[in-house]
Amino acid sequence: EAGVAQSPRYKIIEKRQSVAFWCNPISGHATLYWYQQILGQGPKLLIQFQNNGVVDDSQLPKDRFSAERLKGVDSTLKIQPAKLEDSAVYLCASSLPPWGTGRNSPLHFGNGTRLTVT
Amino acid sequence: GESVGLHLPTLSVQEGDNSIINCAYSNSASDYFIWYKQESGKGPQFIIDIRSNMDKRQGQRVTVLLNKTVKHLSLQIAATQPGDSAVYFCAERRRASGGSYIPTFGRGTSLIVHP
Repeated sequence: EAGVAQSPRYKIIEKRQSVAFWCNPISGHATLYWYQQILGQGPKLLIQFQNNGVVDDSQLPKDRFSAERLKGVDSTLKIQPAKLEDSAVYLCASSLPPWGTGRNSPLHFGNGTRLTVT
Repeated sequence: GESVGLHLPTLSVQEGDNSIINCAYSNSASDYFIWYKQESGKGPQFIIDIRSNMDKRQGQRVTVLLNKTVKHLSLQIAATQPGDSAVYFCAERRRASGGSYIPTFGRGTSLIVHP
């Protein structure tokens, strides 16, 4: 099966500019996640979608970050305006059954978008 | 606060040796755990998972052990190969403040395999 697709692979922007990342999950995966991974750290969950609804966005800096999954498939993550501390790899992942229903399955990750804010 | 953490940030082994990567978790309510391998420039790759009703699970060259008494998880890699060099993360299924279940990652351990 095709894996999680993400684009772009790399992005360099200046602070205060805007940027958007795109993710296409594995076909049939209802749950989609966006993670931020700062160099030397583990991934930190930003937002979790179940189909086109938000399950958890408690760690998303909502004053500058936004995400959507309008048709329950592809998703975009936007940062506006970017700050220097947003430099990180942004990972998208998907899983088949929803977490929290008692049915667990591993997340499948894309290769991420490396964002550098100068 | 509650978190998933790792004991050793870097582990160096010789090719052919067995490797053990440890992970401590503090949320006693966590009931599902996953180990991931992340190579440079790539996303985390699933290795093996275990549910809290199990103590041990084996895969190909890997074994995960879960000790719920001391809230400790370990990943054992048999006959470690240079291709195993990567950063390894454990993740737990944890209940978020809003009530939903989310996958939470620890910091990671860098495994370096010397030929």
